[in-house]
Amino acid sequence: ELKVEQNPLFLSMQEGKNYTIYCNYSTTSDRLYWYRQDPGKSLESLFVLLSNGAVKQEGRLMASLDTKARLSTLHITAAVHDLSATYFCAAPVKYNNNDMRFGAGTRLTVKP
Amino acid sequence: EAGVTQFPSHSVIEKGQTVTLRCDPISGHDNLYWYRRVMGKEIKFLLHFVKESKQDESGMPNNRFLAERTGGTYSTLKVQPAELEDSGVYFCASSPSFFQETQYFGPGTRLLVL
Repeated sequence: ELKVEQNPLFLSMQEGKNYTIYCNYSTTSDRLYWYRQDPGKSLESLFVLLSNGAVKQEGRLMASLDTKARLSTLHITAAVHDLSATYFCAAPVKYNNNDMRFGAGTRLTVKP
Repeated sequence: EAGVTQFPSHSVIEKGQTVTLRCDPISGHDNLYWYRRVMGKEIKFLLHFVKESKQDESGMPNNRFLAERTGGTYSTLKVQPAELEDSGVYFCASSPSFFQETQYFGPGTRLLVL
């Protein structure tokens, strides 16, 4: 059974600092998704990584995928308070299938 | 374009009662998914519709849960009778095609069973 593990689960950082959130998954997967959730709100799609070595960047966030290591990272550069949220990674259970397993989420708090 | 909508946003019921959650996907999206997040746990897949057909319902916890998607449009998820452990946030998501890049999530229904 596919397992998706994120770490850390809680992250408190100062504004301006850099940090990386890690997402490991246990079986072969061709895709990896990152979502953001603000308190009481829905999940917002951030990145879709479709192949080994894929790297995508949006503002201060950059996501990468290493399918051989079964690892995706979400790197935060020069954090700002607006990035405070919970970040989830998710992977499809089967190839060519949209049923996804989610990580537990990383609750990020950026302090001024 | 309207996003995925869910109703109600919150529901508080007593153990043994019945609750029906509704999800309206983005218009034209054939794929509809239900997920739930129980307090302190990860988001878990419940089931997947393609149009009106259940593609995968392997995540449904037990036979107290019944999902339908009438005419391939909106979907309902009924819990009957509700138990305390059913409390959590129920999310619905939709996507246009079978191998689509992303799923679009609704705001969720927060269910509390007392």
